[in-house]
Amino acid sequence: SQQGEEDPQALSIQEGENATMNCSYKTSINNLQWYRQNSGRGLVHLILIRSNEREKHSGRLRVTLDTSKKSSSLLITASRAADTASYFCASAWTGANNLFFGTGTRLTVIP
Amino acid sequence: EPEVTQTPSHQVTQMGQEVILRCVPISNHLYFYWYRQILGQKVEFLVSFYNNEISEKSEIFDDQFSVERPDGSNFTLKIRSTKLEDSAMYFCASRREEREKLFFGSGTQLSVL
Repeated sequence: SQQGEEDPQALSIQEGENATMNCSYKTSINNLQWYRQNSGRGLVHLILIRSNEREKHSGRLRVTLDTSKKSSSLLITASRAADTASYFCASAWTGANNLFFGTGTRLTVIP
Repeated sequence: EPEVTQTPSHQVTQMGQEVILRCVPISNHLYFYWYRQILGQKVEFLVSFYNNEISEKSEIFDDQFSVERPDGSNFTLKIRSTKLEDSAMYFCASRREEREKLFFGSGTQLSVL
């Protein structure tokens, strides 16, 4: 299976702190994407990093990709209560036309 | 911003009944997907659809499942004879280009009793 694993499964931090979530995947990828899911809702795309990129920024989000370790991390800086959600990584496997989602990290930001 | 819309938002059915979940992808998108998520668990790929045919499907997508794009706008998932374990949130997604970001609908919560 190309599905990844995320670490930690749950993370609870104080507002203003940084949150780091990690993702591992199992096979060669074209790109890796991060999505956010509020409880009971659909997934919203946050950021995409291609296999030839090592780091990418978008607002308070920073994503890194290490293809030698088959891992990625998502850093949310200066967290806010509104960042409370589940975060999923999704790998676009080379040769496949779909995304394989990780198990997700449930982030709680305490005001 | 354009949205993927799904109907109904909730569907309750008896075991063994057929259900059809409906989706309207974003109008200029070419690739369509169904995923499902059992409560509190990971998002699982079911099937992808391009150029009026299935391009990939997972082991979950057995003979009880089918997809159709009956016209230029709708994309449906049919479950022929529902089982208790089919209870999940079903998400439709679409994108314009391969391997780019997916746009998800808000899901249909299917409960099989």
